[in-house]
Amino acid sequence: DAGVTQSPTHLIKTRGQHVTLRCSPISGHKSVSWYQQVLGQGPQFIFQYYEKEERGRGNFPDRFSARQFPNYSSELNVNALLLGDSALYLCASSLRDDTGELFFGEGSRLTVL
Amino acid sequence: QQPVQSPQAVILREGEDAVINCSSSKALYSVHWYRQKHGEAPVFLMILLKGGEQKGHEKISASFNEKKQQSSLYLTASQLSYSGTYFCGTSKLVRIGLSFGAGTTVTVRA
Repeated sequence: DAGVTQSPTHLIKTRGQHVTLRCSPISGHKSVSWYQQVLGQGPQFIFQYYEKEERGRGNFPDRFSARQFPNYSSELNVNALLLGDSALYLCASSLRDDTGELFFGEGSRLTVL
Repeated sequence: QQPVQSPQAVILREGEDAVINCSSSKALYSVHWYRQKHGEAPVFLMILLKGGEQKGHEKISASFNEKKQQSSLYLTASQLSYSGTYFCGTSKLVRIGLSFGAGTTVTVRA
């Protein structure tokens, strides 16, 4: 069975640009979460979606937004990119809408110049 | 608020034991442990729930002290495959995502 897939794997943007990151959860998983991992740090929670509804949001500015589609895939959008947005963006899927076992994708590495 | 992990790094020889600690200043509902190898996705190890029992995963086990808001991960008779960065993630309430610590890097040498 396919695991969590994310695209693109790597991308380079310049300050002020916009980026869209995509995630396909494991088949049958209805919950998708997004985390930001800065080099040398633990992942930081950005959003959790379940059945297309936002269930939780971390301490990130409104420049960050996300949505979940009817097929449970998800997009993370970041507007007006800053240098500090450079990080590995991890998507995780889970069966339930509570904070159970998370299955992480390999991430999208964003570099902002 | 992020949990605090200690130590930051540990180096072991195969067969040695290690303990990784995770503490929080907030009341916790659950503690989760993940391991991430360099360049790979974090992989789930176990969940400890408030009021639950000590969990085990092969020779890796963990405990959750609710009164102290602390969890410890025990690596017993370490193997080369145990190398990686271990993260504890905590949640206060269901459905609000995890707060991860900064990680503990474990290096197991032959």
